[in-house]
Amino acid sequence: ETGVTQTPRHLVMGMTNKKSLKCEQHLGHNAMYWYKQSAKKPLELMFVYNFKEQTENNSVPSRFSPECPNSSHLFLHLHTLQPEDSALYLCASSQVGGAYEQYFGPGTRLTVT
Amino acid sequence: AQTVTQSQPEMSVQEAETVTLSCTYDTSESDYYLFWYKQPPSRQMILVIRQEAYKQQNATENRFSVNFQKAAKSFSLKISDSQLGDAAMYFCAYRSAYNNNDMRFGAGTRLTVKP
Repeated sequence: ETGVTQTPRHLVMGMTNKKSLKCEQHLGHNAMYWYKQSAKKPLELMFVYNFKEQTENNSVPSRFSPECPNSSHLFLHLHTLQPEDSALYLCASSQVGGAYEQYFGPGTRLTVT
Repeated sequence: AQTVTQSQPEMSVQEAETVTLSCTYDTSESDYYLFWYKQPPSRQMILVIRQEAYKQQNATENRFSVNFQKAAKSFSLKISDSQLGDAAMYFCAYRSAYNNNDMRFGAGTRLTVKP
């Protein structure tokens, strides 16, 4: 596969469940990102990793826990979520610096019941 | 903090016509990058065009061009000869040249192309 892939594409979970979202990039990039996309709202940057080190955490609740074991893989661990956490979660990657754009995955549609 | 505003939640254009999507941003920084992204119904977001703030010349990519007005903090996207495949959500984005991690997006404009 090429580009940025995300699994699963759809996820339904209860508020007491624990699940993980996976992102993989095949572009040789050294930065990876998690975004939350809710209807009619701007994309919200959640976490940023540069060279596997977390550099941004935009006041995200602790029920979201990121993990970046290497520069190609990024996880988002979910536990005790709330219904308002239902959204499309997008992963992106890029080179660091300059005018480099971010490349996005197709997203995981998360529904919390 | 930098904010990005897209004042048109929805736009419509006739196939083969031209449409302009608006974007304004607020910043106190002098160096930054601006992007337009397209998100088709399949949801994979892709880059349409980018502009470096230090460049006065407006960027163009085939049928896509921008009108970058730095003093007015405006960055509109013009789509010429619109095609059915242009139908999508379009997002304007700002990234500081001083903090490469912080990309700010507008709320998006949904473009419909009528045959």
